[in-house]
Amino acid sequence: AQSVAQPEDQVNVAEGNPLTVKCTYSVSGNPYLFWYVQYPNRGLQFLLKYITGDNLVKGSYGFEAEFNKSQTSFHLKKPSALVSDSALYFCAVRVFYYNQGGKLIFGQGTELSVKP
Amino acid sequence: NAGVTQTPKFRVLKTGQSMTLLCAQDMNHEYMYWYRQDPGMGLRLIHYSVGEGTTAKGEVPDGYNVSRLKKQNFLLGLESAAPSQTSVYFCASSLTSGRGDTQYFGPGTRLTVL
Repeated sequence: AQSVAQPEDQVNVAEGNPLTVKCTYSVSGNPYLFWYVQYPNRGLQFLLKYITGDNLVKGSYGFEAEFNKSQTSFHLKKPSALVSDSALYFCAVRVFYYNQGGKLIFGQGTELSVKP
Repeated sequence: NAGVTQTPKFRVLKTGQSMTLLCAQDMNHEYMYWYRQDPGMGLRLIHYSVGEGTTAKGEVPDGYNVSRLKKQNFLLGLESAAPSQTSVYFCASSLTSGRGDTQYFGPGTRLTVL
């Protein structure tokens, strides 16, 4: 079955330290991967995506993600965390079904908490 | 350019009542989607539409109906609400469903069914 997993429900980081939010995937064929962020009581905002090419993808707000095909992972990273980065982060993969186009499958989300 | 908007923002229903959630997008996107978000379960696709006049079932369609009479609007209906439908509902849209295409989300509707 095609799926996305975020193995950590919560990640706690001190401000100024690097952060990593983990994501692994299982798809048939080439993966098309996305990261979204959700601030409290808000909708999801697009951060970045991997389609093809360079394994290191840069996105909004200083975030980047590293695609690792051998480990089937797409971890989200930031060199120096800010308190304002505290939010819920979702990893998603696009899957394709015959005659239905491409749909997103989301992980369960990881709550990132950055303390001053 | 408002992007994706949803109305209402909050709603409380009693079991058995009906309601319609409205989603509107001003980006001329072909594809529109309805998701529900429940704690620890991420977002799950309820229904989607690949263009005006078309709809299709997603992962969790039971208890919901949808309509896309105009390209810019996508309506989600609950005919007889149940407590299990208490959730946050998000609408999204995308230009296509191609590999790299990004879905853009609305702010959500928080629904409570008593």
